[in-house]
Amino acid sequence: AQSVTQLDSHVSVSEGTPVLLRCNYSSSYSPSLFWYVQHPNKGLQLLLKYTSAATLVKGINGFEAEFKKSETSFHLTKPSAHMSDAAEYFCVVSDVTGANNLFFGTGTRLTVIP
Amino acid sequence: KAGVTQTPRYLIKTRGQQVTLSCSPISGHRSVSWYQQTPGQGLQFLFEYFSETQRNKGNFPGRFSGRQFSNSRSEMNVSTLELGDSALYLCASSFDPGQGTDTQYFGPGTRLTVL
Repeated sequence: AQSVTQLDSHVSVSEGTPVLLRCNYSSSYSPSLFWYVQHPNKGLQLLLKYTSAATLVKGINGFEAEFKKSETSFHLTKPSAHMSDAAEYFCVVSDVTGANNLFFGTGTRLTVIP
Repeated sequence: KAGVTQTPRYLIKTRGQQVTLSCSPISGHRSVSWYQQTPGQGLQFLFEYFSETQRNKGNFPGRFSGRQFSNSRSEMNVSTLELGDSALYLCASSFDPGQGTDTQYFGPGTRLTVL
């Protein structure tokens, strides 16, 4: 069965410092992995996705993630945090059977301190 | 291109009532999925529709049902509402159904409160 574990429920960084949000996945097959962001009272926005092409995936707003099969990780990073990055971030794995449903992590709330 | 739209944005119902939520996918998208988001359970998959047929279903009771119309618009219905049904209900659409790699685009959600 597919699942993801987000290792931190809350991360706090200062504006201008790097961001690291950690995610480990569990999948019997090569997974498709996503990071979504949710701002307060808003829907989910796709940041980036991995689909077995390049292991380093670049997304929107300066975010990127690296797929590491040996570590079963898909951590999200950004070199310099901006106040607008404060939100909830979800690591997501898709159903490997091809069904169109997603399995979400429990989320990491990112706080950016001015 | 317009995004996924959901109506209404907010609903207040009482226990025992039923409710219908609506979702209009991005133009050209034929797959619509529904998710429930609660503080306690997080985001959970409800079901997916493609070509007016339910393709996949999550682990929710039969009180939760849905349908899809020929124009790909989808509705979700919850009957005999319980307090625990209070949640944000998110709809997502995608172009290539049945493909785990396909990106799902989410609407803003419908906030349901059951009193």
